[in-house]
Amino acid sequence: DAKTTQPPSMDCAEGRAANLPCNHSTISGNEYVYWYRQIHSQGPQYIIHGLKNNETNEMASLIITEDRKSSTLILPHATLRDTAVYYCIVRKGTGNQFYFGTGTSLTVIP
Amino acid sequence: NAGVTQTPKFRILKIGQSMTLQCAQDMNHNYMYWYRQDPGMGLKLIYYSVGAGITDKGEVPNGYNVSRSTTEDFPLRLELAAPSQTSVYFCASRPWTENYYGYTFGSGTRLTVV
Repeated sequence: DAKTTQPPSMDCAEGRAANLPCNHSTISGNEYVYWYRQIHSQGPQYIIHGLKNNETNEMASLIITEDRKSSTLILPHATLRDTAVYYCIVRKGTGNQFYFGTGTSLTVIP
Repeated sequence: NAGVTQTPKFRILKIGQSMTLQCAQDMNHNYMYWYRQDPGMGLKLIYYSVGAGITDKGEVPNGYNVSRSTTEDFPLRLELAAPSQTSVYFCASRPWTENYYGYTFGSGTRLTVV
């Protein structure tokens, strides 16, 4: 599975959009991009995933560049409850495992 | 539908003691996983299972054992606990489909070995 690179920390003002970047320059054609978050010491929570196209759900949007070498997770209106560590992971469609890095610690500021 | 249930939530062990961390899921998921998370670090895969009777090692299996006798349960056994095993342990599960909506994680077991 391809490795990912994320900034270690970011701040975002409450009510503004939070844009979390992820580089995955070695991604291959059959690897999906997944985003999870971990609030405090709880179990990670699935947010969104995609292969090629941009995706949106009730939690977030995922923008994947055309060459698929990077992606951005967008939380459209960040709230204090969005303060968490966000993990970007790439995984083969047939892969059995996620490999978590250290993620981006997002702090939403009042 | 409880999802993934882990017990106990907290445990303190003495060096050399053994214990079993329990994990159960009620979603009929084929795949189950055990991760550990050390302070300030990401999750590391210990063991996983693709179905009853089938288990395989992850990144950091040393000092642990697993079994999968049923679809629902995936216990993690620590033999001869060591301080290096102080960590938070997460169990997770997912269905078999290729394009799945991610893992469901339990709430974790916080283990301290003294």
